[in-house]
Parts: sequence; structure tokens; C-alpha cells
Amino acid sequence: GAVVSQHPSWVICKSGTSVKIECRSLDFQATTMFWYRQFPKQSLMLMATSNEGSKATYEQGVEKDKFLINHASLTLSTLTVTSAHPEDSSFYICSAREGSFYEQYFGPGTRLTVT
Amino acid sequence: GQNIDQPTEMTATEGAIVQINCTYQTSGFNGLFWYQQHAGEAPTFLSYNVLDGLEEKGRFSSFLSRSKGYSYLLLKELQMKDSASYLCAVLDSNYQLIWGAGTKLIIKP
Repeated sequence: GAVVSQHPSWVICKSGTSVKIECRSLDFQATTMFWYRQFPKQSLMLMATSNEGSKATYEQGVEKDKFLINHASLTLSTLTVTSAHPEDSSFYICSAREGSFYEQYFGPGTRLTVT
Repeated sequence: GQNIDQPTEMTATEGAIVQINCTYQTSGFNGLFWYQQHAGEAPTFLSYNVLDGLEEKGRFSSFLSRSKGYSYLLLKELQMKDSASYLCAVLDSNYQLIWGAGTKLIIKP
């Protein structure tokens, strides 16, 4: 089946620093990738949608200058949290979709803690 | 606006059957998904319904009524490992997934 990996699985960083999270589709070409954030006991919140080779589309309320998304290839998308603050601490999950197929395949998630 | 409703929490007994309901109001409809999410983990795919009716897959079944904007996930022969959150999500006219808040299912021995 389709596999999506994320790295790192967890990260602790200091306030003010930047953190990069990678999302890779291992056995398929992901024309579209999605980045979600999930706070404890809450549902998934879509942050942005990215198509390979083009700029990401951000959801309302998500700062594009703070959450930089790069989808440079059909197998890799990165999310960089710039100038992280404690309120950015969350569970970040990516998912990927192949072509026009409707199903999204989820990565295992990255738990970010900002101290 | 777009809206998906599902109960916040349900409790059931090991070995029993539980039905988790989901109602939706979305701009367009291209299918409804059910995902299972254990605490601290990413969601895993359970089912996809785009036509009315019941889809059975082992202990899990999913039902859809498009005219009523309604779906349910039926879990049979409950096991302790079924304790998780169950997320209902609808694919809208833009092929964007609209997520419900999830139903936390607690299984008691």
C-alpha cells in the first residue's frame, strides 16, 4: 500500500528557532500534499494544500510567512515553522494524494514541542 | 457553511456493537471517509462511501444516505484495541476533505 513517512517523529526546540519537518511519499508520486495540525483532544485542522511545483494554498488564519511549505518534488514536501513559539507546540501531520485518486495517505505525524 | 457533526464521546462494552453517527452539510459531495485515530498517532483509513448503502469490511461497516446527509460507522465484536477516536470526513466539490471533530470511543471490559 501507499506509504508516507515523516521526519522527525518528534522534536523539541527553543522559542525563536526554526524547525523543518519532512514528508515523503515512499512508493507513489504525490501530486498533492496536505499539512494538518492537531491540538490535544481536537480534530485535524488543515493548514495548507500544496501541489508539486507550485505555491501552497493556505487556509484562512494560517500565516504563510510563519509556516513555509515547499513541495519541490513528487515525493517530498517540507514544512518549516519559523520563529517558533510555545503556542506552535502541536502534532503536525502530513498526507499525500496520488493524481486524481481521492484517498489521502497519512504520515505518522511529528510532535513539536517549543520550550 | 460546511459542517460535520458527530458525537464527542461514546462508551461501549467489549464484545458488543456500537454505531457512530455522522451528519454533514457540505458544498458538494464526492464521498465520505471514516478514519480511526489512536491517541498520539496519525489517522488510518477505515472506509470510503460515495454511493448510498452499506459497505461491510470485517468487523467494521459503514453506511451512507446522501439524501439525508447521514452516515454511520458500525463496529461489531468490540475489542479493547478499538478504543480510539473515529473521524468522519467528507470530500467536497473541490475534493477538499472536511473533517468532523471526531468521536472518542471508550471500550470497557
